[in-house]
Amino acid sequence: GENVEQHPSTLSVQEGDSAVIKCTYSDSASNYFPWYKQELGKRPQLIIDIRSNVGEKKDQRIAVTLNKTAKHFSLHITETQPEDSAVYFCAASNTPLVFGKGTRLSVIA
Amino acid sequence: KAGVTQTPRYLIKTRGQQVTLSCSPISGHRSVSWYQQTPGQGLQFLFEYFSETQRNKGNFPGRFSGRQFSNSRSEMNVSTLELGDSALYLCASSATGLRTFFGQGTRLTVV
Repeated sequence: GENVEQHPSTLSVQEGDSAVIKCTYSDSASNYFPWYKQELGKRPQLIIDIRSNVGEKKDQRIAVTLNKTAKHFSLHITETQPEDSAVYFCAASNTPLVFGKGTRLSVIA
Repeated sequence: KAGVTQTPRYLIKTRGQQVTLSCSPISGHRSVSWYQQTPGQGLQFLFEYFSETQRNKGNFPGRFSGRQFSNSRSEMNVSTLELGDSALYLCASSATGLRTFFGQGTRLTVV
């Protein structure tokens, strides 16, 4: 079955800097790659997703890139703000979604 | 549209008891999945239902079971509770099986 590795497990950045979180997956049949943000005590919230036929997708300050050959995908957050502090999860799917173990991002004002 | 709704939000149970958790998906969504979230293991897939049929099952013991009703609402049952079952149980729904939205979760504490 699918296995998703996520790095780093914790990440601290200064406000205004960029943050990058990387994930690798094992099943070449996976075709959908979402990212979720989970604030303390809240539900995971879908923030961006990408299909396997697309290499990059951007939505304001966040972007996701996918390299199918290498089986890895990354989340990029630019101009980080304190409200970006949360745990971020990547996932890969050939149904069902398999999640990485999460990255705790801290944005220091 | 209303989001995914889970009840109850919090539960405290004793070892050996059983528990039933409920999930109402987003209107029109026919796929419902359940995940267990713990600090050490992250989000682990339990099972997925689509149109009342279990479509996928994760690697959990048979004490964990679920079902889906004709209105797409789903229930999850855990029998013979163990201390290690303490976790946040998240339900998620999807129209297509891909873009998936989570409920607030049910926090289960087993004492």
